[in-house]
Amino acid sequence: RKEVEQDPGPFNVPEGATVAFNCTYSNSASQSFFWYRQDCRKEPKLLMSVYSSGNEDGRFTAQLNRASQYISLLIRDSKLSDSATYLCVVSGGKLIFGQGTELSVKP
Amino acid sequence: EAGVVQSPRYKIIEKKQPVAFWCNPISGHNTLYWYRQNLGQGPELLIRYENEEAVDDSQLPKDRFSAERLKGVDSTLKIQPAELGDSAVYLCASSPSGRDLLDQYFGPGTRLLVL
Repeated sequence: RKEVEQDPGPFNVPEGATVAFNCTYSNSASQSFFWYRQDCRKEPKLLMSVYSSGNEDGRFTAQLNRASQYISLLIRDSKLSDSATYLCVVSGGKLIFGQGTELSVKP
Repeated sequence: EAGVVQSPRYKIIEKKQPVAFWCNPISGHNTLYWYRQNLGQGPELLIRYENEEAVDDSQLPKDRFSAERLKGVDSTLKIQPAELGDSAVYLCASSPSGRDLLDQYFGPGTRLLVL
């Protein structure tokens, strides 16, 4: 079993749609949680941290459920520029990346 | 301020040949990471340096991979001999210290194709 598992993609959605990504992790001792964004043929970049209380950054909302070892990312009113691969990342001393879920937003 | 610099950006070699990748971290960053990203997967840590010391190389395939950061600044990752399965993107990242994992900046990567 992989340490971090994400929804298999790709997700193809129209502009303005709401899309949710799910992620589970296996190590209950994991300490920190993040979402990264990776554009095609580019390096990963931090999108946002994830807290048990949930956090929101504009159209993006991230949630953490430690009991279920589950992380989510919600994107509202999706834009063409949101097209990318979204990587779920868990930390227990080092960053452990999920395989990523590709999002394609269409006009 | 310059970001993490990697070279070459692309490399095509035949199997059994050696290959080396170079990384220059952001100035002042003591921690340097090498990751490998296979197609359709997330990056996987190969080795982490704190200054010139390799503090985590548990995921580095030591039979064919080697790395060095002799003066605690730039670093080289080498594969000898390369195998078909080594085709991947090799990412270098740096951070001011290993304590704050959020403060990790990635370079553009080197795309390796082994034929």
